[in-house]
Amino acid sequence: NAGVMQNPRHLVRRRGQEARLRCSPMKGHSHVYWYRQLPEEGLKFMVYLQKENIIDESGMPKERFSAEFPKEGPSILRIQQVVRGDSAAYFCASSSFGADKSYEQYFGPGTRLTVT
Amino acid sequence: RKEVEQDPGPFNVPEGATVAFNCTYSNSASQSFFWYRQDCRKEPKLLMSVYSSGNEDGRFTAQLNRASQYISLLIRDSKLSDSATYLCVVLTTGNQFYFGTGTSLTVIP
Repeated sequence: NAGVMQNPRHLVRRRGQEARLRCSPMKGHSHVYWYRQLPEEGLKFMVYLQKENIIDESGMPKERFSAEFPKEGPSILRIQQVVRGDSAAYFCASSSFGADKSYEQYFGPGTRLTVT
Repeated sequence: RKEVEQDPGPFNVPEGATVAFNCTYSNSASQSFFWYRQDCRKEPKLLMSVYSSGNEDGRFTAQLNRASQYISLLIRDSKLSDSATYLCVVLTTGNQFYFGTGTSLTVIP
């Protein structure tokens, strides 16, 4: 059973470009979370999605950031017009909340975004 | 008040020592509790789920005190490979996970 997949693992963008980060949850998981981690800092929640729905986006910056989790395909975190302050590691995690009460959250390896 | 609070440390302990981390949470309706380990520049990895009765996995013991709203992690016979940041995580209503800022552990030869 493959774990959470994220790609690309490393992404370099110039200021003003767009960044698209992809996340495929574990098989059978329909709940996806995105987190951002700045160097030497803790994880910061960004957004929680289920298939075709944004459940909680309270951690997302109001501008330039958006996320989706379509019926088919991976979840996408999109950052428009990137700035240097967007440089960080972006982690995706998934969970199942299944009948077996397996509420554990599993993380992907992250995408390290560098804005030059 | 933060949802989850941890002592950031750092904790520097010699090999073979026993070390304990505590974590407090603010939402009494929290339903599930976890400890994760994060190595430098890597993703957090689930270390243990924490059950009401407490649970043990080898050298690691986790305990939950709902009345006082705290969770603990005890590491016995510390190894160099235990050096990492330990994250306390709480699941609350609405399927929302709250992370502590992490406690840094360095095990010294």
